[in-house]
Amino acid sequence: DAMVIQNPRYQVTQFGKPVTLSCSQTLNHNVMYWYQQKSSQAPKLLFHYYDKDFNNEADTPDNFQSRRPNTSFCFLDIRSPGLGDAAMYLCATSSRQGAYRETQYFGPGTRLLVL
Amino acid sequence: AQTVTQSQPEMSVQEAETVTLSCTYDTSENNYYLFWYKQPPSRQMILVIRQEAYKQQNATENRFSVNFQKAAKSFSLKISDSQLGDTAMYFCAFITGNQFYFGTGTSLTVIP
Repeated sequence: DAMVIQNPRYQVTQFGKPVTLSCSQTLNHNVMYWYQQKSSQAPKLLFHYYDKDFNNEADTPDNFQSRRPNTSFCFLDIRSPGLGDAAMYLCATSSRQGAYRETQYFGPGTRLLVL
Repeated sequence: AQTVTQSQPEMSVQEAETVTLSCTYDTSENNYYLFWYKQPPSRQMILVIRQEAYKQQNATENRFSVNFQKAAKSFSLKISDSQLGDTAMYFCAFITGNQFYFGTGTSLTVIP
């Protein structure tokens, strides 16, 4: 089945220690998103890629970076995690074409714990 | 400013009954897409239903239907014959161009 995969599902890191979360997709979608979701809150968009075109949200901290080496993979790098960065990180994909254009398909998320 | 408002933080419904979740949005755009997403406890966010703004006909997906009122900028979700598996957080979302907005969510509990 075509899907959005996130690894790892749970990540524990230490305060200030860089961490990378990964996302891959088999949907061949040209848009990939990263969201941060804290408990019982709406997902907050951090940034998205339209093909290789990177779009950063204005209020995304510089501590968060992203890479998209090819269509299938996208990475979220947190350079110096703080306690406030503990959250669920959601990856999503969408296509700008087709009957279901702009519909976002979400991965299961990576829960990040910062010690 | 473009926003999405879900005015009901929590709702409950008896199993087999019908419930309506409200969502209003604000935009000056004419072309956009509206979605309802469901996020069960500790589980993945999944699409419930989508609506394209240029389509006047309300979308339906089995027990789920929407009441899309473009002039009023309203996009409510009706769940018929509620089931225990419908217990989840429901998010209304609005997308236009490169802009994405989620509402704050409605936590729905289906009571046996």
